[in-house]
Amino acid sequence: KAGVTQTPRYLIKTRGQQVTLSCSPISGHRSVSWYQQTPGQGLQFLFEYFSETQRNKGNFPGRFSGRQFSNSRSEMNVSTLELGDSALYLCASSLEPRGNTEAFFGQGTRLTVV
Amino acid sequence: AQKITQTQPGMFVQEKEAVTLDCTYDTSDQSYGLFWYKQPSSGEMIFLIYQGSYDEQNATEGRYSLNFQKARKSANLVISASQLGDSAMYFCAMRLLYSGSARQLTFGSGTQLTVLP
Repeated sequence: KAGVTQTPRYLIKTRGQQVTLSCSPISGHRSVSWYQQTPGQGLQFLFEYFSETQRNKGNFPGRFSGRQFSNSRSEMNVSTLELGDSALYLCASSLEPRGNTEAFFGQGTRLTVV
Repeated sequence: AQKITQTQPGMFVQEKEAVTLDCTYDTSDQSYGLFWYKQPSSGEMIFLIYQGSYDEQNATEGRYSLNFQKARKSANLVISASQLGDSAMYFCAMRLLYSGSARQLTFGSGTQLTVLP
């Protein structure tokens, strides 16, 4: 059974550009969440999608957006990149957005903004 | 709001010995789940173990066990018989079980475990 797949694994972008990251959840999982991990702030929740609807959003500016497709694959987009957006972006998939369901993470996308 | 505190930034343990990683949490909610994840240098977050707030017995998964003390709001991870491959960052996390808008995982700052040969 394939795990959570995030693409690309590494990305280098210039300030002001925009970027799109992709996450394919485990087959059958319909809930996808995104987290940002930085040395200074640790792991912070970005947003959660279930059945193509954003169910929950963290405290991030509007430059951060996402969507989920009918096959549960999700993308997140960051526009007008800033140096502080450099981070490891992790995607987690769950069967459904219930609190006692396990969340399985991908290997992450490491974004560097120069 | 939920808060997770991991007070040990780094820990060392000798191979084959047991080690306890500390985690305390703060929430006013009665229904929650506690998780432990392992993050090797590759970056992937690997799920280790889960404990629900209403579970009466401590969770165990192979060499991992969770020492859950609800009154003290602690959820320590115990790794028995440490192996070199256990060297990684370990995160404690919690999630409310029934809150509609707060189902995200809240993470602690992590503990870097190094297993010595």
